[in-house]
Amino acid sequence: DADVTQTPRNRITKTGKRIMLECSQTKGHDRMYWYRQDPGLGLRLIYYSFDVKDINKGEISDGYSVSRQAQAKFSLSLESAIPNQTALYFCATSDPQRGETQYFGPGTRLLVL
Amino acid sequence: AQSVSQHNHHVILSEAASLELGCNYSYGGTVNLFWYVQYPGQHLQLLLKYFSGDPLVKGIKGFEAEFIKSKFSFNLRKPSVQWSDTAEYFCAVNSNSGYSTLTFGKGTMLLVSP
Repeated sequence: DADVTQTPRNRITKTGKRIMLECSQTKGHDRMYWYRQDPGLGLRLIYYSFDVKDINKGEISDGYSVSRQAQAKFSLSLESAIPNQTALYFCATSDPQRGETQYFGPGTRLLVL
Repeated sequence: AQSVSQHNHHVILSEAASLELGCNYSYGGTVNLFWYVQYPGQHLQLLLKYFSGDPLVKGIKGFEAEFIKSKFSFNLRKPSVQWSDTAEYFCAVNSNSGYSTLTFGKGTMLLVSP
């Protein structure tokens, strides 16, 4: 079984809709991250959480919110989706005992019409 | 703030050619360095990492990277590429303070022709 899972894997939505992307992990890591990937721009950090009570904005948090429901779960929400949020979204976890090596989920491909 | 620069956005090689992908970072303190690979349609996987010690790091699938502190560089190398190495490669850096997030370069797309 995969250590980091994401649901849904693909999603098409319309402008203005609220959607939630979910991430679960079985690695037992406290630290979790949400990134978006756009062609030619690499991965950019949206939000991160170093433990259940800790939430931090990343480089591009505008238009997004997150919820850390438990150590194993970290959800990303788009309150009112817009077309330039069309991207590939990755969740990741890390272990500070291993130099913050990050372990990625399979990604969610989101299309906003 | 730290940043990562990957010099080539696209690289095209023939099978058996040697590979070197450049990566430079900017950060004044002690860093951890990573190379990740993303095969078509897949998620990112760790290729190799440097925390401390020997600056020549060996990773999976015959890849290696050399940390040159004076040049702020962490270039990825492979002596002989294969078609299956076609992928996007990302260099990444964080500080080893324990409370640092990872900063990625924009990636280098490698296409290996058979």
